[in-house]
Amino acid sequence: DAGVIQSPRHEVTEMGQEVTLRCKPISGHDYLFWYRQTMMRGLELLIYFNNNVPIDDSGMPEDRFSAKMPNASFSTLKIQPSEPRDSAVYFCASSHTHRGPYNEQFFGPGTRLTVL
Amino acid sequence: DQQVKQNSPSLSVQEGRISILNCDYTNSMFDYFLWYKKYPAEGPTFLISISSIKDKNEDGRFTVFLNKSAKHLSLHIVPSQPGDSAVYFCAVSMYSGGGADGLTFGKGTHLIIQP
Repeated sequence: DAGVIQSPRHEVTEMGQEVTLRCKPISGHDYLFWYRQTMMRGLELLIYFNNNVPIDDSGMPEDRFSAKMPNASFSTLKIQPSEPRDSAVYFCASSHTHRGPYNEQFFGPGTRLTVL
Repeated sequence: DQQVKQNSPSLSVQEGRISILNCDYTNSMFDYFLWYKKYPAEGPTFLISISSIKDKNEDGRFTVFLNKSAKHLSLHIVPSQPGDSAVYFCAVSMYSGGGADGLTFGKGTHLIIQP
């Protein structure tokens, strides 16, 4: 299995620009999670989906952030407009309900976003 | 307010000795406790977990202990090896009955194994 795939691996953009991060979960997984890692706040959950439906988006910091999952094999996290404080590493993770309740999540390699 | 605290940002241990990483949590409703390991420029990888109905779980060199009354979790690595040098995250979850939930992470402990 290829694991969780994220693109791009690095993104540098200017303040005010739109940024789109992409994720392909592990085939057959029915949960998809977006996390953000910063020095100040550590790893924090932004939003997660079950069977392509958003379940909890309470971690999304502002209306500038939006996430979609149009099908079981693709999700996007969009920031519009981007700000320097959005600079962070963004991780996508997926999991499968039938692995049991331990909620073992498989993480992608992350996208390092720098907003100048 | 942090729900999961890892009070040691870093820990240095000699190769072959025991590494003990600690984690405290605030909410007694958490059901499941996990440890993740992270190397630079990679995503976290699952290491070991324990449910609230147990107080110990072993997997090879790794053992997780849970003290529910103290709301304290620890990870023991015996013996420590150079490849264990990484950042270790404690994570907690509530099983909502119908499926998975997002994880709440501590800020991590950087474990350095000295040769």
